Amino acid sequence: DGGITQSPKYLFRKEGQNVTLSCEQNLNHDAMYWYRQDPGQGLRLIYYSQIVNDFQKGDIAEGYSVSREKKESFPLTVTSAQKNPTAFYLCASSPRTGGFFQPQHFGDGTRLSIL
Amino acid sequence: GQNIDQPTEMTATEGAIVQINCTYQTSGFNGLFWYQQHAGEAPTFLSYNVLDGLEEKGRFSSFLSRSKGYSYLLLKELQMKDSASYLCAVRDTGTALIFGKGTTLSVSS
Repeated sequence: DGGITQSPKYLFRKEGQNVTLSCEQNLNHDAMYWYRQDPGQGLRLIYYSQIVNDFQKGDIAEGYSVSREKKESFPLTVTSAQKNPTAFYLCASSPRTGGFFQPQHFGDGTRLSIL
Repeated sequence: GQNIDQPTEMTATEGAIVQINCTYQTSGFNGLFWYQQHAGEAPTFLSYNVLDGLEEKGRFSSFLSRSKGYSYLLLKELQMKDSASYLCAVRDTGTALIFGKGTTLSVSS
């Protein structure tokens, strides 16, 4: 089945530690996105990538980093500089048709908490 | 600035019709999306409007007025499983989406 796989489902971070959230898609989508969701805040964009080896900062990129070495993969690293990392992280992807990007499809999310 | 507003909560009963409104102010406009999200789960795509008017998909319809910066999602014949958050999102000039904070709908019997 085609889809977006996020792992792990739950992740715990110690103070001063970097952690990496995995996102893999087998939908052959060009664009991939990372969002953060806090209670009552909706989804906020962290980073996005429209093509391999290129990515752009979203609204809340500070304390996060990404890479896009392969079309299928877009890992997100939450660095120790992110002082409030506890949230639900969602990865999404979308295809490109005729120059326009189509609706985004989401993975099941990773819930990150501080120990 | 970029702003998307939706009501925080709504309640309705099974079998009823409910309309969830969304108003937006964005620097550009390349389409409006509605997503459904059950608690603790990923959002799932419901509908997309880029031109003015009504789009119908079974029990769900979505309307757009670009001149008014306004959209609504209409849910008919409500079922208990429709209890969820409904997210309005706008694609402005880029490819990423700007999301509203979501409307939590509670359906009771």
